Amino acid sequence: EDQVTQSPEALRLQEGESSSLNCSYTVSGLRGLFWYRQDPGKGPEFLFTLYSAGEEKEKERLKATLTKKESFLHITAPKPEDSATYLCAVQARAGTALIFGKGTTLSVSS
Amino acid sequence: ETGVTQSPTHLIKTRGQQVTLRCSSQSGHNTVSWYQQALGQGPQFIFQYYREEENGRGNFPPRFSGLQFPNYSSELNVNALELDDSALYLCASSMGGSYGYTFGSGTRLTVV
Repeated sequence: EDQVTQSPEALRLQEGESSSLNCSYTVSGLRGLFWYRQDPGKGPEFLFTLYSAGEEKEKERLKATLTKKESFLHITAPKPEDSATYLCAVQARAGTALIFGKGTTLSVSS
Repeated sequence: ETGVTQSPTHLIKTRGQQVTLRCSSQSGHNTVSWYQQALGQGPQFIFQYYREEENGRGNFPPRFSGLQFPNYSSELNVNALELDDSALYLCASSMGGSYGYTFGSGTRLTVV
């Protein structure tokens, strides 16, 4: 069964304190791994898509990496506005639906 | 691009009633998926439509049904509402293949 597990469930950081979020997955033939950001009461906002092991993508203070079993979302020098829930999802085959993890809720305090 | 628009934003229904949620996808996005997100959980896949035909379904009972229309809009219907149906319902559209999905802001459904 295709499955996505995210850890930790919650993470509290001080402003400027870098850290990483983990997404481990088991899927029969990964087509793509997606990272989304979700603010309370809102829909997920697309961040990155990773397609193959070794791939890395960056956007401002965020960097996503992918191995054959997991993905990391590295947050460098976070700011309070980075506080949100970060969702990881996998797509097993092209055109199929996304399978999501439960998310990591990040709180950054100044 | 106009994004993905969902209506209504909030809805309160009584147990046993029926509800229809609506979604307007981005032009050219021939794939639309619906997800249910309970509080504190990740989105759970309900079903997906490709060019107006259902091409995937998650572990949801038949009282959850949907339609996709030629103008890139779609709807989710839920019959015989139960208290556990209270959740944020998300619509997402895509051009298909390995393109990512764009999500709407969701409809918050409360069943009392």
